[in-house]
Amino acid sequence: QSALTQPPSASGSPGQSVTISCTGTSSDVGGYNYVSWYQQHPGKAPKLMIYEVSKRPSGVPDRFSGSKSGNTASLTVSGLQAEDEADYYCSSYAGSPVFGGGTKLTVL
Amino acid sequence: QVQLQQWGAGLLKPSETLSLTCAVYGGSFSGYYWSWIRQPPGKGLEWIGEINHSGSTNYNPSLKSRVTISVDTSKNQFSLKLSSVTAADTAVYYCARGRNVVVPAAMIWFDPWGQGTLVTVSS
Repeated sequence: QSALTQPPSASGSPGQSVTISCTGTSSDVGGYNYVSWYQQHPGKAPKLMIYEVSKRPSGVPDRFSGSKSGNTASLTVSGLQAEDEADYYCSSYAGSPVFGGGTKLTVL
Repeated sequence: QVQLQQWGAGLLKPSETLSLTCAVYGGSFSGYYWSWIRQPPGKGLEWIGEINHSGSTNYNPSLKSRVTISVDTSKNQFSLKLSSVTAADTAVYYCARGRNVVVPAAMIWFDPWGQGTLVTVSS
């Protein structure tokens, strides 16, 4: 059982927006502004997409955005594209780094 | 541009010791903590532990009794040893760059990652 809770799946059509949630507690997500998000395509290593809740590393499209409210962080992918189909993981800190169980994003 | 390349044995028997090494190319080695993260087949990510250039380590409490992470600053490499492995340790193991050494422990994200090594534990 993962420390952070994510929906197992999410989906949207090309061009649409989809939001993935990541729910923790006041001891992790709610306690720190250091939530990060990772994209993982099958057979590949995870790739950092968002750090410090809402910051994007260089090279990550601005279609990806992050936010947080209380104990829940969210990743929004706008203008969905076929290549966005992947697994997405959130991460926070709870005395040590912890991850969510992952969300499989399907582009219909 | 920082690149991580990892290697190690991919097939172990129960009770053996897992051993992996990760080499860091480019960027600052001494300015960061370096982590190991694993992913069982079809499952999520689990942080194993981290080390900095001076050898200071932090481990996941659930694995602490079996994990040793070490560093070789002369080669910009760091290594993972996990003892007494069982089938539950079967996973893809990744190395990754973590937090800057001068920031709080909570200020952590992982970028970049190594290519991953599948380690299978089977008799």
